[in-house]
Amino acid sequence: LAKTTQPISMDSYEGQEVNITCSHNNIATNDYITWYQQFPSQGPRFIIQGYKTKVTNEVASLFIPADRKSSTLSLPRVSLSDTAVYYCLVGDVLAGNMLTFGGGTRLMVKP
Amino acid sequence: EAGVTQFPSHSVIEKGQTVTLRCDPISGHDNLYWYRRVMGKEIKFLLHFVKESKQDESGMPNNRFLAERTGGTYSTLKVQPAELEDSGVYFCASSLVGQGNTEAFFGQGTRLTVV
Repeated sequence: LAKTTQPISMDSYEGQEVNITCSHNNIATNDYITWYQQFPSQGPRFIIQGYKTKVTNEVASLFIPADRKSSTLSLPRVSLSDTAVYYCLVGDVLAGNMLTFGGGTRLMVKP
Repeated sequence: EAGVTQFPSHSVIEKGQTVTLRCDPISGHDNLYWYRRVMGKEIKFLLHFVKESKQDESGMPNNRFLAERTGGTYSTLKVQPAELEDSGVYFCASSLVGQGNTEAFFGQGTRLTVV
């Protein structure tokens, strides 16, 4: 399973764009990259998923370079409610392989 | 549509007792996963069902843990007998067997405290 490395924590201010980068040097051909958000006392919540290049949805963008050894989650104009832990996961989701969580990045958004 | 439901939300039991956690996945989701987070540690995979079959149970810590998914619908995770180190939050997740991108939906978790 591909191991992921993320910064332990990040601070930002309301209205700023936040970019969280994840390294996954041994990503396999069939692996997708998925990001989850978790608030205290809740289960993780899906944010975005991609295989290559760029994916955008209503809450975030995911940038994946050609070698796929890293990925960057971009959160535009964060608000206080975006304070949470963000997890980068890599796995063959089409095969239903289990998701392996790393330590995650604790994002603190300040007013 | 209902999400993934876990019951109970909290459970406090004494060491040596038995506890059964239940997970109701989203209807139609064949993949069902159990995870656990022990205090201060990362979320760890326990096992994966595809319908009623155990696809991967490599994360189960020991034989005090028994997971079942009769009929491929809801799943139970029994801990017998419970030990202090079993305390933590147990998450269940479900997903479709994939075609295209697949997201896993997580329940709110069951907080288990063994005293």
